[in-house]
Order: sequence, then C-alpha cells, then structure tokens
Amino acid sequence: GENVEQHPSTLSVQEGDSAVIKCTYSDSASNYFPWYKQELGKGPQLIIDIRSNVGEKKDQRIAVTLNKTAKHFSLHITETQPEDSAVYFCAAIRSGAGGTSYGKLTFGQGTILTVHP
Amino acid sequence: EAGVTQFPSHSVIEKGQTVTLRCDPISGHDNLYWYRRVMGKEIKFLLHFVKESKQDESGMPNNRFLAERTGGTYSTLKVQPAELEDSGVYFCASSQFNYVLGELFFGEGSRLTVL
Repeated sequence: GENVEQHPSTLSVQEGDSAVIKCTYSDSASNYFPWYKQELGKGPQLIIDIRSNVGEKKDQRIAVTLNKTAKHFSLHITETQPEDSAVYFCAAIRSGAGGTSYGKLTFGQGTILTVHP
Repeated sequence: EAGVTQFPSHSVIEKGQTVTLRCDPISGHDNLYWYRRVMGKEIKFLLHFVKESKQDESGMPNNRFLAERTGGTYSTLKVQPAELEDSGVYFCASSQFNYVLGELFFGEGSRLTVL
C-alpha cells in the first residue's frame, strides 16, 4: 500500500518568513495530493491540492509543487502570519478509474508549524 | 449549512469499558469515513460507508471496533472493550463524491482517552 513520509515534524519561523514542508510517497500510481491544515480544537481542513498531471499550483500565499519522478511534493507558505500556526498534513491517493475512492487518503505524520510574531 | 459534527468531543474511560462515538455528516453526503490519529502519528483510515453500506473497512484495527450507519444518515463507532492503545482522536469525514474528485470535509474529532 501507499506510504507517506512528512518532514519536518515541527517547524518554527518568524512572521514574514517562508515555510516549506516536504512529503514523499511510495506508490508511483498515486495521482492526487491534498494538503490539510488543522487548527487547535478543529478538524483538518483542505487548503490546497494538486493532481499528478500538474507540477505546481498556487493560491495566494500558499503553493504546492510535485515531482513525480522523485515521488515527492512540497507545501510552500510565503509571508507567514501568526494565524498560519497549525498542524499541516500532506496526503496521497491513487484514485479514479481502477483506484480507490478519493476519500481513502494516506496521510503523512503531520508538521506543527509555529509562526512567531 | 452545518458541517460534520461529532459527539462527544472528549471521552475518558477505563480499560475494558465501552464507548460509542457518533458522527453526523453534511446533509446529502452519501460518503462517510472514519479516521483515527493515535499519539501524534499520522491520520489513518478506518472505514468508508456509502449510504448505509460498508464500502471499505480495511483499516479497522480489530473486532473490538464496530461501525454502523443505519438509515444512511449518522454513523456510530463503538469500541468494546476499550484498550489503552485505542486512545487517540477519531475523526469523521464526509464527501458528496466517491470516485469523482471532491472535497473531503472533516469533523472536529472525538478525543478518546483510555485509562
């Protein structure tokens, strides 16, 4: 089955700096890679995702890159703000025709991001 | 529109006791999932319902766990008897689509502590 490794486990940055979280996956057939943000006392919330036919996707201050050859993908947050502090999870899945449902995700271990004012 | 709601938010029980967690998915979402995060590790898939039917229960740890979704609305996850290693946060998620890409909406989780 799929295995997702996420690094670092904790990340501390100053407000305004950039933050990068990296994930690697094992199943070369995985084709969908979402990122979730979990704030204290809340459930994980989708913040950005990327499909295997795209190398990069950006949404305001967050971006995700995907390297299919190396089987790794990364989350980039620029101009970090204190409200970006949360636990971030990457995930991967092989889905679509012949695969499993899009709801059966394999998650990484999570990264605790702390942004200091 | 109400999101995915879970109850209780926190449950503390002793080893050997029984606990039942409840999840109410977003209205109209036929797909309901249970996940678990143990001891700060990754969030792991437990099972998937499509309406009232179990589509995939490959992630259920053992037969002490029983999930139901009678009538295809809310779901319950019962742990009986609970063991220490069952402690963790149990998340419920729902989605409108199954094999078509769509957002997975998570509840706030039920934290289970087994003493």
